[in-house]
Amino acid sequence: QKEVEQDPGPLSVPEGAIVSLNCTYSNSAFQYFMWYRQYSRKGPELLMYTYSSGNKEDGRFTAQVDKSSKYISLFIRDSQPSDSATYLCAMSAAGNNRKLIWGLGTSLAVNP
Amino acid sequence: DAGVIQSPRHEVTEMGQEVTLRCKPISGHDYLFWYRQTMMRGLELLIYFNNNVPIDDSGMPEDRFSAKMPNASFSTLKIQPSEPRDSAVYFCASSLLARAHNEQFFGPGTRLTVL
Repeated sequence: QKEVEQDPGPLSVPEGAIVSLNCTYSNSAFQYFMWYRQYSRKGPELLMYTYSSGNKEDGRFTAQVDKSSKYISLFIRDSQPSDSATYLCAMSAAGNNRKLIWGLGTSLAVNP
Repeated sequence: DAGVIQSPRHEVTEMGQEVTLRCKPISGHDYLFWYRQTMMRGLELLIYFNNNVPIDDSGMPEDRFSAKMPNASFSTLKIQPSEPRDSAVYFCASSLLARAHNEQFFGPGTRLTVL
């Protein structure tokens, strides 16, 4: 079993839909939870990060972490065609270990 | 800032040839990472450096792969001899220890095809 599980999709939604992306993990030492967005033929870019449990909101994007269930989510409200990309979750423990553990990524297409 | 720079952007080579990928991290960053991305396996960490010193190379697939960081502004990933199963997109990323959440900044990647 991988440390981080993420459904690769693909996910296809109409413009304006609410999108829910999820990852589960097994390592209780993870403290930093990140969502990266990767456009086609580009490198991943950090979209949002959360430390420990709780919610974080940034515009149309909300990240949630439930450490008791070892489950993280990214919600996209009022999705736009420009949101079409692959979304990767990544996690790390606190401290000097700089290694990120990555999900496979979920491919999202938002159709106009 | 120019961001992480990688070269070449595309590389097509024949099986058995040596391949060298290059990376210039963001100035001032003290960590450098080499990743490989494929559809089947996703993003895999190959090796990472801290202040030019290799810290974890457990992801390097086999002895055909080697990486060096001779100074803070340059790193190479070498594959010798290359095989068709090495075909993938190779990313270099850098980060700063002072950023506690470990944000990594990625280059545009090198798309490697081994025939």
